[in-house]
Amino acid sequence: DQQVKQNSPSLSVQEGRISILNCDYTNSMFDYFLWYKKYPAEGPTFLISISSIKDKNEDGRFTVFLNKSAKHLSLHIVPSQPGDSAVYFCAASESAGGTSYGKLTFGQGTILTVHP
Amino acid sequence: DTAVSQTPKYLVTQMGNDKSIKCEQNLGHDTMYWYKQDSKKFLKIMFSYNNKELIINETVPNRFSPKSPDKAHLNLHINSLELGDSAVYFCASSQEAPPRRNTEAFFGQGTRLTVV
Repeated sequence: DQQVKQNSPSLSVQEGRISILNCDYTNSMFDYFLWYKKYPAEGPTFLISISSIKDKNEDGRFTVFLNKSAKHLSLHIVPSQPGDSAVYFCAASESAGGTSYGKLTFGQGTILTVHP
Repeated sequence: DTAVSQTPKYLVTQMGNDKSIKCEQNLGHDTMYWYKQDSKKFLKIMFSYNNKELIINETVPNRFSPKSPDKAHLNLHINSLELGDSAVYFCASSQEAPPRRNTEAFFGQGTRLTVV
């Protein structure tokens, strides 16, 4: 039972264009969401996060949008650069009292390729 | 200076053997985790320790035993290795559990375990 899903295994965009990575979740107790970026043979590194009290968080070229009613979040990268090519993981954590409290629940990742 | 380091990076071993993966963090974090990335690429939590105390123990075969000699170290020992244990294992740490704003989890580079 996967509570966090990234239904697009891969995405290919041209340099300078916008990359939009999507993530859906099923657990309504999730109240904090994160995006991690992973290069081959390295561990995931934190990119950006958003609390459920917000619907948007921006950090430079990266913006995360949260639609709680749809249980959907997305990561926008604009403009995309070749160095952004990596696997992007969506993750969520739960407020106290839930069965998933105390951990990050990850999606399966989306491979982003940015072509020069 | 690596924040979360795990050794070895690659481990190839025969079925039935016992092996250990070591993890150390120099971030002064209170919480450490072990995650497994399976063949479907999901990152799934296995264990979480907070100040040397086990706080999360997912449905993992009891052949897997974590050991935390101090809050900077969390080792993973696996007995009687099976083919299905082949995966990438990631160690991580965070200041608190679950990771919240400004206290995101930091990951090691992963250990690729191959059981033959």
